[in-house]
Amino acid sequence: KAGVTQTPRYLIKTRGQQVTLSCSPISGHRSVSWYQQTPGQGLQFLFEYFSETQRNKGNFPGRFSGRQFSNSRSEMNVSTLELGDSALYLCASSLGSGWYDTEAFFGQGTRLTVV
Amino acid sequence: DAKTTQPTSMDCAEGRAANLPCNHSTISGNEYVYWYRQIHSQGPQYIIHGLKNNETNEMASLIITEDRKSSTLILPHATLRDTAVYYCIVRDSGSARQLTFGSGTQLTVLP
Repeated sequence: KAGVTQTPRYLIKTRGQQVTLSCSPISGHRSVSWYQQTPGQGLQFLFEYFSETQRNKGNFPGRFSGRQFSNSRSEMNVSTLELGDSALYLCASSLGSGWYDTEAFFGQGTRLTVV
Repeated sequence: DAKTTQPTSMDCAEGRAANLPCNHSTISGNEYVYWYRQIHSQGPQYIIHGLKNNETNEMASLIITEDRKSSTLILPHATLRDTAVYYCIVRDSGSARQLTFGSGTQLTVLP
């Protein structure tokens, strides 16, 4: 079956602009999580959505937001971009239901460069 | 979630077993040990996870000590394509579904 799809793969934006990244999870997966990866901070959790509701949020400013649609696809938005937002943004999907969840499957990521 | 400690880097000869250690001395009873790897510029890939017992799948084996304070990921016959950063993560099964990544171990498989 198809894996996690993230679009676009690469993006260049200017400081102060906003950006929207998209993630299509594996069919049947209802949980989508977002991570930011930078050389200095490593992989950091942004937020997780399940059934269109944000279930958990990492320690990021309010400029970072997301949403999930009824088909489980998710978008994340970063407003008022800063140079430090340049990173690889990764999306992960999992079944998300039940008391015990197993592995999360990651997409290839979107490489955002802010200039 | 419990903190993990891994060596920064390791080398392994191609065709030999790669043994990657992880210390998680503060692990609690309901926390699982997960292993992921990330090949350069790609998304992390799930490898294996376990609670108490040793686990094996088509990719690797996971050996967890009896006191659960440490574990070892074993790649039985390492290939050049196994060169990657390997992350050991401890996660509470009942917690929100986030993974806390540390710095990981850079495994380099040498020809």
